[in-house]
Amino acid sequence: AQSVSQHNHHVILSEAASLELGCNYSYGGTVNLFWYVQYPGQHLQLLLKYFSGDPLVKGIKGFEAEFIKSKFSFNLRKPSVQWSDTAEYFCAVNAGTGGFKTIFGAGTRLFVKA
Amino acid sequence: DAGVIQSPRHEVTEMGQEVTLRCKPISGHDYLFWYRQTMMRGLELLIYFNNNVPIDDSGMPEDRFSAKMPNASFSTLKIQPSEPRDSAVYFCASSLARLAGLSYEQYFGPGTRLTVT
Repeated sequence: AQSVSQHNHHVILSEAASLELGCNYSYGGTVNLFWYVQYPGQHLQLLLKYFSGDPLVKGIKGFEAEFIKSKFSFNLRKPSVQWSDTAEYFCAVNAGTGGFKTIFGAGTRLFVKA
Repeated sequence: DAGVIQSPRHEVTEMGQEVTLRCKPISGHDYLFWYRQTMMRGLELLIYFNNNVPIDDSGMPEDRFSAKMPNASFSTLKIQPSEPRDSAVYFCASSLARLAGLSYEQYFGPGTRLTVT
């Protein structure tokens, strides 16, 4: 069965610090990978996605993620965080041939100190 | 577009009562998903529909949970009887296969926070 592991449940950073949130998945076949973000009081929204091509994916608000197939990883990065990045971040995986069934990680709560 | 709409946003009920959560997907979307979010288990897929037909309900925790989609613009998730361990945030999401293509992107509603005392 597919599973998604996010390494940190809570992360606290100061503004301008660099961010890397870890995500590993277990599935041997073709995958689609996602990072969703949930800002306080708002619904989950897509941050970025990978389904083919360049393994370095750029999303909204300066976020990027790198798919490393050999490591089953899809880590999220941002070189310099802002207070407005305070949110919960979810990594998700979808078996590429399995339709819309998507498995989510437990989430990482990021708090950025101003 | 108003996005995915869920109601109520908050629900507090006593153990043993019936709870009905509602979802209106984005107009024209052909997939609808119900998720449950808890601190312990994260975000779990409960069930999803395609063109109003349930495709996979393997995530529904037990017979107390049921979901219906009588038409393309409305779905319900019912818990009867409710128990304290059902307390969670329940999300509805929708997607349009034609636009999502191979990426299977989903659009989420604001969630319903359920508390069962």
